[in-house]
Amino acid sequence: AQSVSQHNHHVILSEAASLELGCNYSYGGTVNLFWYVQYPGQHLQLLLKYFSGDPLVKGIKGFEAEFIKSKFSFNLRKPSVQWSDTAEYFCAVTYNNNDMRFGAGTRLTVKP
Amino acid sequence: GAVVSQHPSWVICKSGTSVKIECRSLDFQATTMFWYRQFPKQSLMLMATSNEGSKATYEQGVEKDKFLINHASLTLSTLTVTSAHPEDSSFYICSATRGSGRYEQFFGPGTRLTVL
Repeated sequence: AQSVSQHNHHVILSEAASLELGCNYSYGGTVNLFWYVQYPGQHLQLLLKYFSGDPLVKGIKGFEAEFIKSKFSFNLRKPSVQWSDTAEYFCAVTYNNNDMRFGAGTRLTVKP
Repeated sequence: GAVVSQHPSWVICKSGTSVKIECRSLDFQATTMFWYRQFPKQSLMLMATSNEGSKATYEQGVEKDKFLINHASLTLSTLTVTSAHPEDSSFYICSATRGSGRYEQFFGPGTRLTVL
């Protein structure tokens, strides 16, 4: 069965530190990849998405992600985090049958 | 565009009662709608997938008689939690796709259900 793995459960950073959150998926076929953010008490917001083309995708709020097909990965990055980036981050993958599978999520805490 | 709403945003009910949650696509026709459940500090778990006018497809382990899904139109899907119990307390989130072939789902804001 297809699966999505986020290996970092909780990441704690100081402001201005660089961020990289890992995401790996198991399916070898065509996939569409997403990163969502969920701020405390709020609903999911799309940060960025990849369907095709340039594997380096830029999203909102200074986030970017790189699709590396050979590694089945879609890691999220931000060069300099802010306190307001404290949130839960979910990687998600849709497969040919339209189902979206979510990773377990990574909680990011940014210390001021 | 691609806005999805849910109603109510939160609901508290007594054990044994039924609760209906609505999911609407406000500015597009949703060929497919999805229902997810999210427990505190956990990820979203897909409960079921529904297409307009047909029966929902439930994920393994989800009781279809307990979680009734009706996708009555291209802009509305409802989830009814029947005979709710405290263990059904959770955050229920719906999403919808436009059927553009890109499989992007647009998420609603979620409904927090608390069963006393």
